[in-house]
Amino acid sequence: SQKIEQNSEALNIQEGKTATLTCNYTNYSPAYLQWYRQDPGRGPVFLLLIRENEKEKRKERLKVTFDTTLKQSLFHITASQPADSATYLCALVRGSNYQLIWGAGTKLIIKP
Amino acid sequence: DGGITQSPKYLFRKEGQNVTLSCEQNLNHDAMYWYRQDPGQGLRLIYYSQIVNDFQKGDIAEGYSVSREKKESFPLTVTSAQKNPTAFYLCASKLRERMNTEAFFGQGTRLTVV
Repeated sequence: SQKIEQNSEALNIQEGKTATLTCNYTNYSPAYLQWYRQDPGRGPVFLLLIRENEKEKRKERLKVTFDTTLKQSLFHITASQPADSATYLCALVRGSNYQLIWGAGTKLIIKP
Repeated sequence: DGGITQSPKYLFRKEGQNVTLSCEQNLNHDAMYWYRQDPGQGLRLIYYSQIVNDFQKGDIAEGYSVSREKKESFPLTVTSAQKNPTAFYLCASKLRERMNTEAFFGQGTRLTVV
């Protein structure tokens, strides 16, 4: 079955450093991948979308890579700030109806 | 401001009781979705609707029901047949079903069985 894995352990990063989150998938060949941010008790908020023919996508301090050979996406936050602390979800687009399959998310903690 | 509004934020259900979660959007989106989120798991799709008066079962539809009488509204009923309803419920919308565009989410409803 299709499976998406994100690191279940919280990631602790010192303020100012680069945070890197991983999204791995198996038994699947998605054409698109999306990243969302979720704060406690709130709904996810869309951050970035990357297509399979795009190796890298950037938006301000955010960068996403998509390696279809490794079946992996990396999400980077440069110059991290305490306000970046949240849970980050990756989602793969499934099938012709573009439904999303979700990872469980990785909790990121940026320490001052 | 355009967006999705879910209500209530917190909901308590007694055993054997049906409860309805509200979801309203003013984004003029055709597609609407209901997800369930449990700790340590990804969002799981309950039901989705591509257009008014039409909806489809998702991966975990048993014990739930929906309606889509208006474009703006997609209420979810958690029936007594749902044996483990305690969870965080998220409503989302997208411009069109068959498009790779971002999903917009409401603030969620936390349902607890008492």
